[in-house]
Amino acid sequence: SQQGEEDPQALSIQEGENATMNCSYKTSINNLQWYRQNSGRGLVHLILIRSNEREKHSGRLRVTLDTSKKSSSLLITASRAADTASYFCVTDNQGGKLIFGQGTELSVKP
Amino acid sequence: ETGVTQSPTHLIKTRGQQVTLRCSSQSGHNTVSWYQQALGQGPQFIFQYYREEENGRGNFPPRFSGLQFPNYSSELNVNALELDDSALYLCASRTSTDTQYFGPGTRLTVL
Repeated sequence: SQQGEEDPQALSIQEGENATMNCSYKTSINNLQWYRQNSGRGLVHLILIRSNEREKHSGRLRVTLDTSKKSSSLLITASRAADTASYFCVTDNQGGKLIFGQGTELSVKP
Repeated sequence: ETGVTQSPTHLIKTRGQQVTLRCSSQSGHNTVSWYQQALGQGPQFIFQYYREEENGRGNFPPRFSGLQFPNYSSELNVNALELDDSALYLCASRTSTDTQYFGPGTRLTVL
């Protein structure tokens, strides 16, 4: 079963622009994480935000969490071609069992 | 680099066969999880092992089984392979913190 649903499913932008991806989930969570996956290979952990946090930054990444709306957003500022990848919103509500959405496919054109 | 390795990288099997996939976690990571990712989908949780005992399982049949060893390595075994088992299989390890570190995956093709 899938918990998170990312929106949009695909996003195409020019280098230097900002990219915003949204995620909605269904049940209560301990934390919410965002992962990146390049070309269907291994997943890279980007950022984790706990249920009692509202916003978190890491480099060019900004994540928000609204537990009342059961939603999160990932903002990538000043995007680069190397940011081209699939991005997954992942919830953890059962002691380490991660539940993934279907992902947003981001394409950054030089 | 996450420090998590998987072998083999690619594997081709025929329907009905059995397969063993391997994962080597970072030293000190006492929890390992396995995920199945079908093409175009997000990963699906198969099961989790903590200190060599299974302590969580997703919606997968018993022909999916696992082992975790004291040297931080683990295995995923799949019996009686079906065509729908074709997927990328990912292992992830962690300590007591929430961040899970994923390996590069094994791509299994069942013909």
